[in-house]
Amino acid sequence: DSGVTQTPKHLITATGQRVTLRCSPRSGDLSVYWYQQSLDQGLQFLIQYYNGEERAKGNILERFSAQQFPDLHSELNLSSLELGDSALYFCASSVRSNTGELFFGEGSRLTVL
Amino acid sequence: EDQVTQSPEALRLQEGESSSLNCSYTVSGLRGLFWYRQDPGKGPEFLFTLYSAGEEKEKERLKATLTKKESFLHITAPKPEDSATYLCAVQAGSGNTPLVFGKGTRLSVIA
Repeated sequence: DSGVTQTPKHLITATGQRVTLRCSPRSGDLSVYWYQQSLDQGLQFLIQYYNGEERAKGNILERFSAQQFPDLHSELNLSSLELGDSALYFCASSVRSNTGELFFGEGSRLTVL
Repeated sequence: EDQVTQSPEALRLQEGESSSLNCSYTVSGLRGLFWYRQDPGKGPEFLFTLYSAGEEKEKERLKATLTKKESFLHITAPKPEDSATYLCAVQAGSGNTPLVFGKGTRLSVIA
């Protein structure tokens, strides 16, 4: 158990809909990262927050947004969903902002029908 | 653009049959190379960090090594519980740079 909690574990929705994925980092970790994993693309970095502020941004679509709240939990919002958005979405956390030693949650599997 | 290529895509070993996984990378100024293990339906689990060519790290049956262009994950006398996907990632440059992951090697160890 990494200590990172993600909800929901599974989500099935329709094209055009909007969903919110939630992440609670490990106790004491200030940095939260969001990754998307699909079979053909592997793990793709979306966005990182550190203590409430955005620190790095990857190839995150404009339809996606995220934030980190004062209690350090984070949410990833996905809107106008398309079939291609079906993937595993992982949250990871770390103590420091600029480290490669990340602790991943078990992921949220999103299926868009 | 930073790139990580892992080979083979899949590897099937008999229990006790040692082998190596390869991770080739091109990056502008390597800050660190990282190995992760991912079990089916789970998130990646951190294994090792390597910072400079010639460095080696060991953990149980796993040993990671680093050169200027690639890293190897050596698996000695593997057991079925070593079956997993092994991911390699690099972090480049200075400042706040995210990890770039390879697509992984799916390892199956057969008893």
